[in-house]
This record gives sequence, C-alpha cells and structure tokens, in this order.
Amino acid sequence: SAVISQKPSRDICQRGTSLTIQCQVDSQVTMMFWYRQQPGQSLTLIATANQGSEATYESGFVIDKFPISRPNLTFSTLTVSNMSPEDSSIYLCSVRPGDSSGNTIYFGEGSWLTVV
Amino acid sequence: GDSVTQMEGPVTLSEEAFLTINCTYTATGYPSLFWYVQYPGEGLQLLLKATKADDKGSNKGFEATYRKETTSFHLEKGSVQVSDSAVYFCALRYNTDKLIFGTGTRLQVFP
Repeated sequence: SAVISQKPSRDICQRGTSLTIQCQVDSQVTMMFWYRQQPGQSLTLIATANQGSEATYESGFVIDKFPISRPNLTFSTLTVSNMSPEDSSIYLCSVRPGDSSGNTIYFGEGSWLTVV
Repeated sequence: GDSVTQMEGPVTLSEEAFLTINCTYTATGYPSLFWYVQYPGEGLQLLLKATKADDKGSNKGFEATYRKETTSFHLEKGSVQVSDSAVYFCALRYNTDKLIFGTGTRLQVFP
C-alpha cells in the first residue's frame, strides 16, 4: 500500500493568486498523477508527473496554468496559477506503488481549494 | 475511447435495504475495474477491485463481479447502513496507471 500526504488540506485563495499543493508518498513510485474534482463532479486527470522529465498533460490542461514539479520518486507539487473561482475544486494526488499491492492506485485525501 | 457509465443518483435507501449501483464500461482491451468511495468531507478511498473477467472484488460487505460479456461491474451490498452514505465512483484502468472515472453515484441511507 501507500500513504499519501497532501498539503494544504484546505485553503481559501484570492482571485489572481497562485497556490502550490504538495504530495508526499511514503515509498518510491514510478509515476504520480494529479486529478481535479470540481464541485459535484467526477474526477478528471490533469497530468502525469514524471520524475526526471516534464509532466504529461491531458487535453484541456496546460503547463502555464498547472505547472508540476517532480524532483524525486516520493514527492511532487502542483501549482494552480492565476486562480479564478472556476478553479475551486478538490485536487488529488494519486500513485501506484511498486510493491505487492499489484495494480491498485491510491489517492491522497485531497486539497480542497476555494477561490474567492 | 475508454469510458465508464454509472447510474445517476441519488440512490435513497432505508437501512438494511439491498443496494445495487450499476456500472458499465467501454474499453478496447481488458481493463482492471475499481470502485472507489468518497465519504462526506473526505478524499477518495479504494473500496474494491477486479483485474480480470469473472473476478469478484469484495470489501466491507460490498461486492462487484467483473462481467466481460456484459461489460459491467455492478456494486452490490446485501444490507446497507447509514454509515455507507457516500459517493461511489466506478473506474477503469487500462494499460497505464491512469484511471477513467464514472460520474459518481450518491448513496443516501436513512434509519
């Protein structure tokens, strides 16, 4: 299994500002993912955070808006830039550990952002 | 492309009632299938999974069977409790570590 810690857990942000969310895993993982869950909606993949290379973004998401860092195999950050109320969402980090848990994908508890 | 379709909610039940939440999928190969649960104010937790046809995933009294012939992975529980009130997400994973989620089904259980 994997224990995933996200910070902040909740925040209220001013329009136009940027916020960086941290994701720390208790074991080394090959890939980490960032998802967004808008209010009342399902989860949408933002990007895959690759260690040692640039993140891979899904359609509709761009690096300028959601820059991602992955300095090592246990840590990643997602920045939400120039925030607007539409960015109010839960942002979740997910990983697949490389242990005997097989292909289970685990999620952090999410970072609940409200933009005012 | 790959997709997951869930029944719309909310599903409203009395305590001890039988629960079914339907989930069907479209995929070009043989994905792994998952049910995740999100309790009020919390993040996402894995509830159960199945990795191949006819596998049955089970946890906390919930069950789901991977049916290749009907491309379905319906979630069932014989007797729900108030504490089961949550949003349930069906998801598939195919070839990569990316998950494709359904829209989620809210379950409300009343005493």
